[in-house]
Amino acid sequence: DTEVTQTPKHLVMGMTNKKSLKCEQHMGHRAMYWYKQKAKKPPELMFVYSYEKLSINESVPSRFSPECPNSSLLNLHLHALQPEDSALYLCASSQGQVLDTEAFFGQGTRLTVV
Amino acid sequence: GENVEQHPSTLSVQEGDSAVIKCTYSDSASNYFPWYKQELGKGPQLIIDIRSNVGEKKDQRIAVTLNKTAKHFSLHITETQPEDSAVYFCAATSRTGNQFYFGTGTSLTVIP
Repeated sequence: DTEVTQTPKHLVMGMTNKKSLKCEQHMGHRAMYWYKQKAKKPPELMFVYSYEKLSINESVPSRFSPECPNSSLLNLHLHALQPEDSALYLCASSQGQVLDTEAFFGQGTRLTVV
Repeated sequence: GENVEQHPSTLSVQEGDSAVIKCTYSDSASNYFPWYKQELGKGPQLIIDIRSNVGEKKDQRIAVTLNKTAKHFSLHITETQPEDSAVYFCAATSRTGNQFYFGTGTSLTVIP
């Protein structure tokens, strides 16, 4: 199983809503990532979890709150988002903290903030 | 931090021709260079990668070359097919090895 599964695939939320994005992998990977991707742009790193601990937070606004309940799961909690937060949110995982092997990406959650 | 530049931003080729995409990086400590293909509405998928101790790697119609001295690496796709049409991203690892820096992407169109 080389899959990273993200749910939901699509999400429309209002600016006062609270929602969560979920990501799951069963490859035994110990590093997991959240990326944000705008149209026609490369993925931008948001957060890195290594061995279930937050190791990188790329100055992401507090309206995005990551959580890593266990080594297979990664959540991104969303609250009071802005329309400019509309984007494709990608989860990825890799074997270890050092990126010298393949990182697998999920299919993403297409988020629209209205 | 690392700076990865990618050219061209768009590329159109006739089916059966070759396509070449080039990337340069700034940090000589980077040691892993993956290439990702992203189809519309999907997540990036690794198509080939190369480590700094190797100069060239090939997998069927896809090859990657790395010049560490010049700090550039290239993706070569031969005998292109319409299903090769996608956006391609190069990436390089950071000095600490715990994140990727992506190039700006190349939108490849293969014309049947």
